Amino acid sequence: AQTVTQSQPEMSVQEAETVTLSCTYDTSESDYYLFWYKQPPSRQMILVIRQEAYKQQNATENRFSVNFQKAAKSFSLKISDSQLGDAAMYFCAYRSDRTGANSKLTFGKGITLSVRP
Amino acid sequence: DVKVTQSSRYLVKRTGEKVFLECVQDMDHENMFWYRQDPGLGLRLIYFSYDVKMKEKGDIPEGYSVSREKKERFSLILESASTNQTSMYLCASSLVTRYSYNEQFFGPGTRLTVL
Repeated sequence: AQTVTQSQPEMSVQEAETVTLSCTYDTSESDYYLFWYKQPPSRQMILVIRQEAYKQQNATENRFSVNFQKAAKSFSLKISDSQLGDAAMYFCAYRSDRTGANSKLTFGKGITLSVRP
Repeated sequence: DVKVTQSSRYLVKRTGEKVFLECVQDMDHENMFWYRQDPGLGLRLIYFSYDVKMKEKGDIPEGYSVSREKKERFSLILESASTNQTSMYLCASSLVTRYSYNEQFFGPGTRLTVL
């Protein structure tokens, strides 16, 4: 079974600075997808960024980028120019490509990010 | 615009009551999911459904059942609510396509308190 580990329960960043959230996972599969989800205090979970394991190029979405290290099974999220609206809980998630029919996600325990003005 | 809605944001029930949590999606998604979210435990999958009337157990199905009579609606049922089922419940849905992200879209959540 796959596992996703987010070892830091909380982090804090100064507004306008850069922060990196860590995530590691364990799998024996070669094809899979990785996701970072954001859950603001209002609780609606939204997708931040996604990565396919076969792609060597790291995904980027505006101020959000990932550092995907497949051999190390590491998938960290970098937030540049942090804004107050980035304060939220962030979840790392894994989906096996073999489960394409049902798309189950395995989530980490999440990290609470606070942004200091 | 993609939308997943849940019937209640907050719900208070008594021990032993039968509780229904409803989820509706308007995206014609095949997959639907129920998670519970607890501090320090992240999201844990209770049940999911990949088609009408089809269901599969997730990681923590004990004490729960589900119903999917229509494609857009997925219900979570607590047959006899207990205090350890006090939690945030999140519903999600996704498409089924091969070689695709099939990302999940989430509802706003239902905060259930069982007294």
